[in-house]
Amino acid sequence: SQQGEEDPQALSIQEGENATMNCSYKTSINNLQWYRQNSGRGLVHLILIRSNEREKHSGRLRVTLDTSKKSSSLLITASRAADTASYFCATVRGQAGTALIFGKGTTLSVSS
Amino acid sequence: NAGVMQNPRHLVRRRGQEARLRCSPMKGHSHVYWYRQLPEEGLKFMVYLQKENIIDESGMPKERFSAEFPKEGPSILRIQQVVRGDSAAYFCASRGGSTDTQYFGPGTRLTVL
Repeated sequence: SQQGEEDPQALSIQEGENATMNCSYKTSINNLQWYRQNSGRGLVHLILIRSNEREKHSGRLRVTLDTSKKSSSLLITASRAADTASYFCATVRGQAGTALIFGKGTTLSVSS
Repeated sequence: NAGVMQNPRHLVRRRGQEARLRCSPMKGHSHVYWYRQLPEEGLKFMVYLQKENIIDESGMPKERFSAEFPKEGPSILRIQQVVRGDSAAYFCASRGGSTDTQYFGPGTRLTVL
């Protein structure tokens, strides 16, 4: 069954703008991870946030986690055309190292 | 350090044939996961293996699908008597023992005619 649900399903912005994607999940988690997938390619790991963390940064990425609301957000600042891709959140329930449960993804289009 | 390797990248089979998908994990990784992605969908977990053992196969269909990760060589996902509904992208991911991060391969795109 689907654990994460990303919102919005699709997002179109101009280069230089910020992009925010949200993810909600249903059950308690060990950690939450964000991945990027370019069209027809494999997934690239972006960032992992543990259940006891509230915010993490990596370059132009900022991820927040609110376990009380069972939600996470991914912010990409100063977007570039190369950021065009699908973004997925994935959760790990229970013991770390078990399977990732993915949402359906947000498709981001950044136009120059 | 090479990433996760999958082959073939594209595989075409006729209904009733067998499909064999291979995954070589990153060097030093002993945990392998297989996921399936249907068009316009997220990835769905199929099976989790650790050298010579199946840890979790709760996402794998009970019939026609099997997976192995032998002591030597790549992990194999085998689909017997393929049907059109098996057409999808199949991704393998690997993980080292000291990290929670899974690293994905480029996927095998299976088309069943």
